[in-house]
Amino acid sequence: DQQVKQNSPSLSVQEGRISILNCDYTNSMFDYFLWYKKYPAEGPTFLISISSIKDKNEDGRFTVFLNKSAKHLSLHIVPSQPGDSAVYFCAIYNTDKLIFGTGTRLQVFP
Amino acid sequence: EPEVTQTPSHQVTQMGQEVILRCVPISNHLYFYWYRQILGQKVEFLVSFYNNEISEKSEIFDDQFSVERPDGSNFTLKIRSTKLEDSAMYFCASTARQVYGYTFGSGTRLTVV
Repeated sequence: DQQVKQNSPSLSVQEGRISILNCDYTNSMFDYFLWYKKYPAEGPTFLISISSIKDKNEDGRFTVFLNKSAKHLSLHIVPSQPGDSAVYFCAIYNTDKLIFGTGTRLQVFP
Repeated sequence: EPEVTQTPSHQVTQMGQEVILRCVPISNHLYFYWYRQILGQKVEFLVSFYNNEISEKSEIFDDQFSVERPDGSNFTLKIRSTKLEDSAMYFCASTARQVYGYTFGSGTRLTVV
């Protein structure tokens, strides 16, 4: 039952370049989407969210894009910094719970 | 910045024993959650709690699991008779309003031996 999929388990990006993390979902009824970042030995930290009435939401270096017809969302980080190295989870809010993807490990190297 | 606090950070227990994982949510939050992450897998929802009762629970949250808010500040998860497959990181989370990004605690690593 993979309602939320992150097909890239890892991504390596040079500092200063753009990081693009992708997420696909199966149910077109989902209407609120979130991105979380997780460092080892810590809980997930909320980054940014978007509702289905929008196709883009921006917060500083982080931008989330939503393509409802493709059931796809992406997180862009520009410029990437070494401190961004972490595991990134997309999540969907569905009736009082979050459904998480499997995560993408981002490594930003100098 | 307000935090969700979880104790202990690591708990080792023998199979069949009862464990209680403790959480102190952010004080003005009204919605409380437990999630878990088995090593190498995704974060999974266990249970949500609002107004002193369970709002929703997953199929993982069977009769061996229970939650309680005993004193208005703590939020606990009890596993009555632990199994090896209960070994995981358990995360508590809280939020002031549904649909907003939750605040997660740092987790309790439960190891069942």
